[in-house]
Amino acid sequence: AQRVTQPEKLLSVFKGAPVELKCNYSYSGSPELFWYVQYSRQRLQLLLRHISRESIKGFTADLNKGETSFHLKKPFAQEEDSAMYYCAHSGSARQLTFGSGTQLTVLP
Amino acid sequence: EADIYQTPRYLVIGTGKKITLECSQTMGHDKMYWYQQDPGMELHLIHYSYGVNSTEKGDLSSESTVSRIRTEHFPLTLESARPSHTSQYLCASSRLAYTGELFFGEGSRLTVL
Repeated sequence: AQRVTQPEKLLSVFKGAPVELKCNYSYSGSPELFWYVQYSRQRLQLLLRHISRESIKGFTADLNKGETSFHLKKPFAQEEDSAMYYCAHSGSARQLTFGSGTQLTVLP
Repeated sequence: EADIYQTPRYLVIGTGKKITLECSQTMGHDKMYWYQQDPGMELHLIHYSYGVNSTEKGDLSSESTVSRIRTEHFPLTLESARPSHTSQYLCASSRLAYTGELFFGEGSRLTVL
C-alpha cells in the first residue's frame, strides 16, 4: 500500500532562514506527488505538484526517486509561510494519500 | 461564486443519534470526496464519487454512508453516532479529468459524547 511519511510534526525557523519540510513516499510505480497547505483559518489548498516543476510563493520541491523523497524547500522563509503543510501522493488509482502534516512556524 | 460548502461547521451530539453532514459544491465538478482527519494525523479518504449514482469506499473503513443523487450534493450520514466517530470531516471536489488538485470545504468538526 502506498504511504506518505512526514517525519516532522513541528518545525520552527527564523524569518529569512532556509526551510525544508521532509516528505518520503512508498510506491513501486511512477509516483505523482503534491504539496498542500493550510493557513490559519483557511482551507486546505494545493501548493504545488511535482509534474509542473513550478515555484509557488518561493517554494520548490524536487522528486528524488532514488531516495523516494519529495522535500519542500524555500531559501528564505517569511512569517506568512507559517502554516500546516501536507505532502500527498497519487498512485495508479488516482486517489490522493496524505501524510500527517508538518506545522511550520516562522519566527520573527 | 464557485465554492464548496459544508454544514454544520461544528456539531456536538449524543451517542446513538443519526447525523448527516452536508456538502455542496457549485464548482461544476464531477468528483467528490470525504476525508476524515484526526489532530496530528493523516487525512484518510473514507468515500468518493465520480458522479451521480456513483459512490465508492475509500482507504479507511468507515461506518458512515454517502449518497450522490445530484451532482452538486454529497452528504455523509452516520446512522448511530459513537464517540469513536469524533473527528474532523473534510469534503472536497475535483474535475473529472485528473489533475491531483482537490478543492476542500471548511470542514465539519463532529464531537460525539
